[in-house]
Amino acid sequence: EVQLLESGGGWVHPGGSLRLSCTASGVDFHSYAMNWVRQAPGKGLAWVSSISGSGGVTYYADSVKGRFTISRDNSKNTMYMQMNSLRVEDTAVYFCAKSPTVIGAIEIWGQGTMVIVSS
Amino acid sequence: EIVLTQSPDFQSVTPKEKVIITCRASQSIGRSLHWYQQKPDQSPKLLIKFASQSISGVPSRFSGSGSGTDFSLTINGLEAEDAAAYFCHQSSNLPLTFGGGTKVEIK
Repeated sequence: EVQLLESGGGWVHPGGSLRLSCTASGVDFHSYAMNWVRQAPGKGLAWVSSISGSGGVTYYADSVKGRFTISRDNSKNTMYMQMNSLRVEDTAVYFCAKSPTVIGAIEIWGQGTMVIVSS
Repeated sequence: EIVLTQSPDFQSVTPKEKVIITCRASQSIGRSLHWYQQKPDQSPKLLIKFASQSISGVPSRFSGSGSGTDFSLTINGLEAEDAAAYFCHQSSNLPLTFGGGTKVEIK
């Protein structure tokens, strides 16, 4: 069974930084693209970023471009999101999610990690 | 950016009724449209991929149809456990986008 487990969420001041991690089990991690999708409290889903299986291709939503960096370490079955210059509007539950290709159907989701940006 | 417009926003339904949720794309996306169920405090769960492909383990009362710009998710014979929010999602173009969601409540 495929499982995705996020960690690294928490509370941070505006302008601060956080690094999220997503560790996968039960899957050939390097064979799949990975994504970050966020959901602000009481709101819908919003795509944040995607990375190819090799890590060589990355994409970002305009709202986070230049502030967030997605990466992965296939030897550790782990994906990361370095989030810098955080804003109040980045407050959300961040889900990691697996898809067969970098632009493809999101198939499996983690349970999410909460990020709160507030003064 | 491809905008996905779902309707209705909210639906209150009696058990065993049929539910139809629609999702309209702002431009043609072929069949790159997927449906998810999200229960409170849970992560989304894939119900249907590529407009009409069923997913292993998902009850057969869930089905999808459509192509191009107009899609629908049908729940044939709603059960109490189907109370949830339902989202559509397109993977045709970046940025990946989601519909605003439809909340289904059991009467």
